[in-house]
Amino acid sequence: SQKIEQNSEALNIQEGKTATLTCNYTNYSPAYLQWYRQDPGRGPVFLLLIRENEKEKRKERLKVTFDTTLKQSLFHITASQPADSATYLCALEGRYGNNRLAFGKGNQVVVIP
Amino acid sequence: GAGVSQSPSNKVTEKGKDVELRCDPISGHTALYWYRQSLGQGLEFLIYFQGNSAPDKSGLPSDRFSAERTGGSVSTLTIQRTQQEDSAVYLCASSLETGQETQYFGPGTRLLVL
Repeated sequence: SQKIEQNSEALNIQEGKTATLTCNYTNYSPAYLQWYRQDPGRGPVFLLLIRENEKEKRKERLKVTFDTTLKQSLFHITASQPADSATYLCALEGRYGNNRLAFGKGNQVVVIP
Repeated sequence: GAGVSQSPSNKVTEKGKDVELRCDPISGHTALYWYRQSLGQGLEFLIYFQGNSAPDKSGLPSDRFSAERTGGSVSTLTIQRTQQEDSAVYLCASSLETGQETQYFGPGTRLLVL
């Protein structure tokens, strides 16, 4: 069966350190993978997209890697700040041809001042 | 506002009643998506519209769920004879067109079925 797995335990990290989140998937061949941020009571907000032929993508303090052999993406927040505290969702496009996304359950990050 | 809007923001209803949830996508966005997020669960795809047509309804959990989109803009998700397991946050997203990967989400409608 198809699965998208993110760590269910919250990641508590000291301000200024790098937070690293993992997204593992099974029985998908995604054309691309996205990361979204979700704050309590709000809808997800798009952060980054990485395509199957890309190894790494950066945006400001964010970095995403994509390993299609390991079927894994890593999401890094460098120099983390308390404002980065949120839940981060991994989403895959499953080649349906309509950008239908399959989401992981998300991983909460808490940045401690 | 330029973002996706949804109404109502919260809805409490009794089991067996029908509810209608509304989504106003970003102006000019031709693709529209409905998802459901239950407590502790990931987002679950429900239905996708390209213009007014729904080529992919495969995510609708039962025939009590239906959706329509008119004028290539506003969409309504209707749940008939609501059940307690329908309680969730219903999220709408839009994108400029199929093939534009970024989806812009609304704030969601929190539905509680008593």
